[in-house]
Amino acid sequence: NAGVTQTPKFQVLKTGQSMTLQCAQDMNHNSMYWYRQDPGMGLRLIYYSASEGTTDKGEVPNGYNVSRLNKREFSLRLESAAPSQTSVYFCASSVERVGIYNEQFFGPGTRLTVL
Amino acid sequence: GQQVMQIPQYQHVQEGEDFTTYCNSSTTLSNIQWYKQRPGGHPVFLIQLVKSGEVKKQKRLTFQFGEAKKNSSLHITATQTTDVGTYFCAGVNTGGFKTIFGAGTRLFVKA
Repeated sequence: NAGVTQTPKFQVLKTGQSMTLQCAQDMNHNSMYWYRQDPGMGLRLIYYSASEGTTDKGEVPNGYNVSRLNKREFSLRLESAAPSQTSVYFCASSVERVGIYNEQFFGPGTRLTVL
Repeated sequence: GQQVMQIPQYQHVQEGEDFTTYCNSSTTLSNIQWYKQRPGGHPVFLIQLVKSGEVKKQKRLTFQFGEAKKNSSLHITATQTTDVGTYFCAGVNTGGFKTIFGAGTRLFVKA
């Protein structure tokens, strides 16, 4: 069991470039999440997918899009990167979003720098 | 909107000293979770509290959920250097539709 995997681990972009962060989980979880983590600000939810086929905005969705490709995979796309999107991005998954079985399992993160 | 406040932001302790971090929600929570993130790592789930007044222990770690289900604490007895990292609480609002993370408390332990 690999758990939650993310690619790439590191990425440097120039302002205006686009890229997609990939996330996959092998735990048969229904719900998946994308967070960004900035110093002193904890984890902020960008988008989530409660179940396959659904996606919803979190706290900070502007500048991002997501795709729940299947039950395993949930990707995050930056269409036109900005320096304010420099951050560490974590993908997470949980058995369910509603109820008590919603402990989240996190991937190793992607460290993104936008110049 | 719902907020989860966590204090302190940082704590420096000497190895062997105790440590406590506190989490307060502006609304009643359905349940609360605690995570630990080692430096350079990712958050790892520690525990979940569901019942009002619940207390759970994991070795030197004691977790409490307040009677009103609006606050929680994590206490570490006799800290060790392996305890270094950031501890996050995550409150799940009543109805379970949203999980909000606190900003975290970063623990430094001096040997």
